[in-house]
Amino acid sequence: QVTLRESGPALVKPTQTLTLTCTFSGFSLSTSGMCVSWIRQPPGKALEWLALIDWDDDKYYSTSLKTRLTISKDTSKNQVVLTMTNMDPVDTATYYCARGLYSLDYWGQGTLVTVSS
Amino acid sequence: EIVMTQSPATLSVSPGERATLSCRASQSVSSNLAWYQQKPGQAPRLLIYGASTRATGIPARFSGSGSGTEFTLTISSLQSEDFAVYYCQQYNNWPRTLTFGGGTKVEIK
Repeated sequence: QVTLRESGPALVKPTQTLTLTCTFSGFSLSTSGMCVSWIRQPPGKALEWLALIDWDDDKYYSTSLKTRLTISKDTSKNQVVLTMTNMDPVDTATYYCARGLYSLDYWGQGTLVTVSS
Repeated sequence: EIVMTQSPATLSVSPGERATLSCRASQSVSSNLAWYQQKPGQAPRLLIYGASTRATGIPARFSGSGSGTEFTLTISSLQSEDFAVYYCQQYNNWPRTLTFGGGTKVEIK
């Protein structure tokens, strides 16, 4: 059974760095073809893909956000970590992690992050 | 960067009727296109991948078609549980990126 769960702070202040952890089970990120992405969704708005890390530790980022994002994995812990620097109120959103290479077949339930002073 | 445009933004349909949702890519994405359903307070659910293949457990009333830049999601006979927001998503091989469309809300007429 594949599951993913996001964890991290619910509230961050402007200019701070956000660190989110995706803890998963039911698959290994060392298996060829496996990838985990981060996606976010501001309240009432559309989904936005942020970053992807693959089984070979290759990392890919949204063009518009790549200067602020870092994705990494700890295969032994079955975790993927996303950091986003210089947080702003417009970054308030539900952040999801999801598994997939071409399409995203399993998603976490999401974690709401509010950016406010 | 590939831009995905969905239309219409809102689709009003009566239960039992057919719904047709469109997704257009700013450049060819071949068949690297997926569709998701999202209900309020829930994570998206994968419906279709590879433009036309239903994901595991997805009812046959959902079908996807298209390739290149034009794609369609059809719900043949809307059930009450199908009223939701639908997103398309493309996958680009190099650089490896994903892009979502802006979504189509299917509401009860």
